[in-house]
Amino acid sequence: EAGVTQFPSHSVIEKGQTVTLRCDPISGHDNLYWYRRVMGKEIKFLLHFVKESKQDESGMPNNRFLAERTGGTYSTLKVQPAELEDSGVYFCASSPWRPPEKLFFGSGTQLSVL
Amino acid sequence: GENVEQHPSTLSVQEGDSAVIKCTYSDSASNYFPWYKQELGKRPQLIIDIRSNVGEKKDQRIAVTLNKTAKHFSLHITETQPEDSAVYFCAASIWKPDTGNQFYFGTGTSLTVIP
Repeated sequence: EAGVTQFPSHSVIEKGQTVTLRCDPISGHDNLYWYRRVMGKEIKFLLHFVKESKQDESGMPNNRFLAERTGGTYSTLKVQPAELEDSGVYFCASSPWRPPEKLFFGSGTQLSVL
Repeated sequence: GENVEQHPSTLSVQEGDSAVIKCTYSDSASNYFPWYKQELGKRPQLIIDIRSNVGEKKDQRIAVTLNKTAKHFSLHITETQPEDSAVYFCAASIWKPDTGNQFYFGTGTSLTVIP
């Protein structure tokens, strides 16, 4: 079974540029989550999709972040325009809707905004 | 919302010794507590989990205990080996039939096992 895949693995951009991160969840997983981890901090929740609907986007820092999950399959997270404080590792994770609700992570995208 | 605290942030042990990582949570509605291990450059991997109706769970050298009254849970690794070196994250999760799961993570513990 294929795991959660994320692309790109690394991205280095300048302040003010746009970056789009992609996540392909495990097939059949209705839940898709985006998280961000800044070095030494917790894995911080950004938002949660159930199929194609945004269930909870309370963790999104501001309106420079836009997430989509068209058709309830893969998801994208766009940062426009990027700021220095957006640097960190962005993780995507997916889980089935019903218990056992084990959460599976992707390898993350290391975003560096210079 | 839920708040998960994790201690210590770093932990060094000699190979063969035990390691204990502790987490507390704030929301008594949390009912599922997974632990993740993240090796350098790799994705967080689920290593063990426990539900609120169980007090302890063991899997070979790894065990997790849960005290619902005190709202804390711990990861125990016995007979540590160098390959146990990684960052460990605890999490608390609340499942609701209308919203599904919400996971809240601790800040991570960097464990180093010294050969």
